[in-house]
Formats: sequence, C-alpha cells, structure tokens
Amino acid sequence: EAGVTQFPSHSVIEKGQTVTLRCDPISGHDNLYWYRRVMGKEIKFLLHFVKESKQDESGMPNNRFLAERTGGTYSTLKVQPAELEDSGVYFCASSQEQYEQYFGPGTRLTVT
Amino acid sequence: AQSVTQLGSHVSVSEGALVLLRCNYSSSVPPYLFWYVQYPNQGLQLLLKYTSAATLVKGINGFEAEFKKSETSFHLTKPSAHMSDAAEYFCAVFSGGYQKVTFGTGTKLQVIP
Repeated sequence: EAGVTQFPSHSVIEKGQTVTLRCDPISGHDNLYWYRRVMGKEIKFLLHFVKESKQDESGMPNNRFLAERTGGTYSTLKVQPAELEDSGVYFCASSQEQYEQYFGPGTRLTVT
Repeated sequence: AQSVTQLGSHVSVSEGALVLLRCNYSSSVPPYLFWYVQYPNQGLQLLLKYTSAATLVKGINGFEAEFKKSETSFHLTKPSAHMSDAAEYFCAVFSGGYQKVTFGTGTKLQVIP
C-alpha cells in the first residue's frame, strides 16, 4: 500500500512568488492534515480536512495560505505571495482514526 | 490545552549505551501519546503509540516507552544504541478535545562510535 506522498520534495522560490504544494493521502483515508516546521521550532498544525471539507483551519498563519482538497482525494496548499518567514518543511498526514496519522516525507520550502 | 515538552534538544550517547529521551505532556483529557522519528532527508515515521491499553509500549527498532500518568511522562528508551538510531525524535500528544496532534520541539540523537 502506498504511503502519503508529497510533491515537490524541495522548492526554492523568491519572495513574492507563488508556490503550490501537493499531498496525496493514503487511499481511503478521509482525514488529511497539513503541518509545518519552521527551522528549529516544533511541528505545528495548520489545518485538517475531513473528505473535502475543512474541519479545522485554526493553524493557518494568514490569508496568504489557501488549502483545498478536491473531491476528497489529494490536497494542495498554496502560498501567495510567499514571504521569507514561510520557509520551512511542510508535512502532510492522513488517517482513518484521527489519532493515528501517517506522515508524508514533507516538502522543504525555501523563500529567498 | 495540550502541550508536549521534550527535555534536551540534543542528546549524545555512545554506541551500545542506553538511550533515554524525555517527554512530558499536558492534557486536560486522557491523551494518546506518540513517538515519531525522522531520519535525515526522510519523513516522519511512527515509532510507537500509547492508546490507553498497556502502559509499557513497545515499538519498532527495539524502542519502548512507558506512560506514567502520575508524572505526566512518556519517556522513550532503548537498551543499546546503534549507529542507525541517529535521527531526530519527536514526542506528540493527541487528545479528543483538540482533534489534532501537538508535537514537542524534537530531540536530535547522536550516536558516538
């Protein structure tokens, strides 16, 4: 069974540009989460989808971040326009039971 | 609120020595507790989890952790460190009231030959 996949693995963009991160969850997992780890700090929750609906987006830092989950399958996280402080590793996770989350390899975003 | 504190951002042990990574949690409801490991250039891998069954939990690669409610702790141990254990380890808590996983800041484990 395929795990959670994320694309791209690395992205380097300039301040002001737009970047879209993609996450493909484990097939059949209704719950999908986005987390972010800024350099040297803890991994922080961004938001939670149940199927295509946003269950909790309390961790989204500001309105430059937009997450979608088309048809309850894959999800995208768009940052527009990107700022320097958006640099970090973005993790996606999926689950059937909410507490047992399976994580993807992450996307390392560098904003210069 | 729920929170996790990992004591020590860096821990060094000699190969063959005991590994002890400390984790204390705070949760207003009975929690689920986890240890994740991140090897260099890889994603987060679940090492073990506590879900209110046995308080001593065994995980992969010889790791185990003991849930101690009175101490609000969930320390990770391994009797004998191996070079391949060098990685960053994250303690995490999930409680139903918050419907999300809260992570500690991580502990980087260095194994010295």
